[in-house]
Amino acid sequence: GDSVTQMEGPVTLSEEAFLTINCTYTATGYPSLFWYVQYPGEGLQLLLKATKADDKGSNKGFEATYRKETTSFHLEKGSVQVSDSAVYFCSIGGNAGNMLTFGGGTRLMVKP
Amino acid sequence: DAGITQSPRHKVTETGTPVTLRCHQTENHRYMYWYRQDPGHGLRLIHYSYGVKDTDKGEVSDGYSVSRSKTEDFLLTLESATSSQTSVYFCAISESSFNVNEQFFGPGTRLTVL
Repeated sequence: GDSVTQMEGPVTLSEEAFLTINCTYTATGYPSLFWYVQYPGEGLQLLLKATKADDKGSNKGFEATYRKETTSFHLEKGSVQVSDSAVYFCSIGGNAGNMLTFGGGTRLMVKP
Repeated sequence: DAGITQSPRHKVTETGTPVTLRCHQTENHRYMYWYRQDPGHGLRLIHYSYGVKDTDKGEVSDGYSVSRSKTEDFLLTLESATSSQTSVYFCAISESSFNVNEQFFGPGTRLTVL
């Protein structure tokens, strides 16, 4: 079945540092790829998505590129802020019923 | 924000008791999902619904049942709660089956089974 592997956290960075959270997947067919973010005490929110190879999703300064050849969808941000502290989930979708498969989540902590 | 509410938001119960969690949406979306979130496992799908009275199992459905008698409500029932079902439960909705559409998540229900 489909699976998603993302780097374990927590990731601790200083404000304005560069962020990379790695995500790789295994799937049949051509899934869509997503990054969701969960702020403390809240549900998940879609951060960005990409639906085909070489697509770049972007939002709020975050970016991720759909790399079919390496089955990866790494999340990057050039300069993190304290407000970016959250848990980030990589996920893939593509089956009937719009089911998503999630990675284990990566907690990001940004210190001032 | 998508109109999704979950009730209760917190619940503590004892092993062997039945528990029902409710998800209510005001978006008239066709698809609804129940996930559980556990450390190191991300979110795992329990059951989902693709219409009124139409449901199917997800990855971790054992010990859970669901019902959807109205478009807006999706109930998750633990017939006899066990400590392994202590978790945070999230409901999600989606407008279409096409994989490019995002899912919108509710605020979650924290369930503790003693």
